[in-house]
Amino acid sequence: GAGVSQSPSNKVTEKGKDVELRCDPISGHTALYWYRQSLGQGLEFLIYFQGNSAPDKSGLPSDRFSAERTGGSVSTLTIQRTQQEDSAVYLCASSLRGGQGASTQYFGPGTRLTVL
Amino acid sequence: EDQVTQSPEALRLQEGESSSLNCSYTVSGLRGLFWYRQDPGKGPEFLFTLYSAGEEKEKERLKATLTKKESFLHITAPKPEDSATYLCAVQAYSSASKIIFGSGTRLSIRP
Repeated sequence: GAGVSQSPSNKVTEKGKDVELRCDPISGHTALYWYRQSLGQGLEFLIYFQGNSAPDKSGLPSDRFSAERTGGSVSTLTIQRTQQEDSAVYLCASSLRGGQGASTQYFGPGTRLTVL
Repeated sequence: EDQVTQSPEALRLQEGESSSLNCSYTVSGLRGLFWYRQDPGKGPEFLFTLYSAGEEKEKERLKATLTKKESFLHITAPKPEDSATYLCAVQAYSSASKIIFGSGTRLSIRP
């Protein structure tokens, strides 16, 4: 079956512009996660969705970052007024279950964001 | 604070030379420990989940083990295609919505 897909695979933008990153989770997975991976760094948790709600937004680095999920499926991560420090690979993962009974997370290929 | 530390940062082996990667963790109630493989330019690929001390899992040339403080990923007779970054992550009962990743071990296997 299809895995987690993300688009675009690469995005180059100018400082100050807004960007939208998309994630299509594995069909039937109720939980969806966004992570950020900066060069040479580990994965940094950003936000978790259970269905369409986001019970944990603790990792969003600033109010320029927001995310939504519609129909319990596709999610969009939006970064407003991008800064150069936002340059990173943004990874999406999904799992069959979230919360206390959380199951294994499966990752997409990521979106490489470069802010000039 | 939940924390994951992986060592070494990088490891270069000759083809066929077995070794182990270490993942030390501190977590307030371990829900699960995960190993992922990540190739350059790609997302992490799931390898194993371990839930309790003493548990072991195997897949081809890889075997993962777990104690109350650390996990090892043993690589037996590696091949060049095993070259990748191996990531360890933990999930705590206290914050079950996210997993905490280590910074990874970059493994390079020379033919």
